[in-house]
Amino acid sequence: KAGVTQTPRYLIKTRGQQVTLSCSPISGHRSVSWYQQTPGQGLQFLFEYFSETQRNKGNFPGRFSGRQFSNSRSEMNVSTLELGDSALYLCASSLFGTGPLEQYFGPGTRLTVT
Amino acid sequence: EDKVVQSPLSLVVHEGDTVTLNCSYEVTNFRSLLWYKQEKKAPTFLFMLTSSGIEKKSGRLSSILDKKELFSILNITATQTGDSAVYLCALTHYSGGGADGLTFGKGTHLIIQP
Repeated sequence: KAGVTQTPRYLIKTRGQQVTLSCSPISGHRSVSWYQQTPGQGLQFLFEYFSETQRNKGNFPGRFSGRQFSNSRSEMNVSTLELGDSALYLCASSLFGTGPLEQYFGPGTRLTVT
Repeated sequence: EDKVVQSPLSLVVHEGDTVTLNCSYEVTNFRSLLWYKQEKKAPTFLFMLTSSGIEKKSGRLSSILDKKELFSILNITATQTGDSAVYLCALTHYSGGGADGLTFGKGTHLIIQP
């Protein structure tokens, strides 16, 4: 079974620009979560989508947004990029259920803002 | 606010040694505690713990949860250089269903010297 895939793997953008990152979950997984990883803050939860709806949201400004499509693929958008947005952006997928769920991570997109 | 504290932050041992990594937490409505291994790429899932006192084991790795004292440990026996990585502890809590965002600790950077 193929794992979580993310595109692009690397990205360089300029301050003020916007960026869109893509994530395809493991086949059959319906929930997609996004995380930001930086050396200073570690891994931080951005948001989670299920059935094209945002179910949970972390403590990030409104410049960070996302969506999920009917095939469970998800995109994350960051507008008006700032230098501090440079990070590894990870998405993780999981099955949907009522019990606790393990999440499986993709390889990440390394975003550099100059 | 959920809190995950891992110790030590870094650890250097020799091949063959046994190591114990610690994770203490504070959470409202505990759901699960997860351990991940991160090398120079995305975190890979190791264990998910939901019940106290039940050891999860996979080869040389094992983990256990104490919900009364609010901590978990990850043990690695007969360490090998391939065990060198950052080990992350993460928490989920009940918040209305679905896959909750993971709250991560800062990680323990483990280095195994030959």
